[in-house]
Amino acid sequence: SAVISQKPSRDICQRGTSLTIQCQVDSQVTMMFWYRQQPGQSLTLIATANQGSEATYESGFVIDKFPISRPNLTFSTLTVSNMSPEDSSIYLCSAIRHSYNEQFFGPGTRLTVL
Amino acid sequence: KNEVEQSPQNLTAQEGEFITINCSYSVGISALHWLQQHPGGGIVSLFMLSSGKKKHGRLIATINIQEKHSSLHITASHPRDSAVYICAVSYPQGAQKLVFGQGTRLTINP
Repeated sequence: SAVISQKPSRDICQRGTSLTIQCQVDSQVTMMFWYRQQPGQSLTLIATANQGSEATYESGFVIDKFPISRPNLTFSTLTVSNMSPEDSSIYLCSAIRHSYNEQFFGPGTRLTVL
Repeated sequence: KNEVEQSPQNLTAQEGEFITINCSYSVGISALHWLQQHPGGGIVSLFMLSSGKKKHGRLIATINIQEKHSSLHITASHPRDSAVYICAVSYPQGAQKLVFGQGTRLTINP
């Protein structure tokens, strides 16, 4: 299995600020994803992080609000920009290694926006 | 209507009981995943299934492709099994993106 770490594990932020979440995988992976889980809700895919190119966003999510980087095969960042209380969620990254097809998840970042 | 439906939404049982959580989906899938989420938010992948049955310790997952239905069973349940169990599916044209059920909150009392 792949081990995924996320930083920070939690944060409390002020409205209007931005937070960058880091996701590090202990081995090279083919695909990385970012998910959001709003309070009491299930997970929703934000975007697929593509190595060396722009992320692919799902309906309802835009690059200006959630810029994503993936500079190499083991690392990605998600920025939550111009935050509002509605952005309070758990943000999770996940990864797939091509030969295994199983999806591994990070521990999540719990974000609270005041 | 959600593409992936789980039942029950909440389940409370006594230690030692046999637990079943159900998942139904509406269209053909490439794989079905069972995930476990603990209160801190982190998610662990339990099973990935495309057919048949898998077993790991006290956990058993089955899938019926024709009926578009999967079950997760826990034998000899224990309070440490208390968590949210999530069913998720991926589609053949979906580039391995997951669509999630709403989760089942399981509480096992000692």
